[in-house]
Amino acid sequence: EVQLEDSGGGLVRPGGSLRLSCAASGFTFNTYWMSWVRQVPGKGLEWVANMKEDGSEKHYVDSVKGRFTISRDNAKNSLYLQMNSLRAEDTAIYYCARRGSYMDVWGKGTTVIVSS
Amino acid sequence: DIQMIQSPSTLSASVGDRVTITCRASQSFNSWLAWYQQKPGTAPKLLIYQASNLAVGVPSRFSGSGSGTQFTLTISSLQPEDSATYYCQQYNSYSYTFGQGTTLEIK
Repeated sequence: EVQLEDSGGGLVRPGGSLRLSCAASGFTFNTYWMSWVRQVPGKGLEWVANMKEDGSEKHYVDSVKGRFTISRDNAKNSLYLQMNSLRAEDTAIYYCARRGSYMDVWGKGTTVIVSS
Repeated sequence: DIQMIQSPSTLSASVGDRVTITCRASQSFNSWLAWYQQKPGTAPKLLIYQASNLAVGVPSRFSGSGSGTQFTLTISSLQPEDSATYYCQQYNSYSYTFGQGTTLEIK
């Protein structure tokens, strides 16, 4: 079964850091672009970042550029999102998703709360 | 960035009705558009990609069409399990953007 399991969310103070992880299974991870999408509870979806199969290309939404870093470890079938200098407006459910264009498989999401 | 505006924002319809949701883009592009369904407390589910291609396992009552600046998602015969919020997403150019969502309620 194709699955994505995202983890690593939690409560963090403004200016703090957090690293999200996404464990993939059931498909050949190193042949797919991967993405992160976030959603403020009760609000809409926002694309955050994506990354090419081999890590050679990455793209970010403007609001996280310079603060967030997407990475992957194909040997571990894992995707990551390093989030630094966190702000209250980064509070959201973060989903990892398969593919870098449309997203055909989604994790269940991990919640990040940025608050003092 | 390309802005995506969905209409209507909310919709109430009866079982068996034909329902159409529209997504308008601030710039014209070819078919790089997807539709998702999201039910409360769950992750989005892909319905349509490349404007009109049905995702694996999605019932055939869902269909998509359009190009340029106007795209539509149609449910040909509404079922009770279709109660959800629907989002369009453009992946024509970065940053990818979603519509604000259309909440569909079953009467």
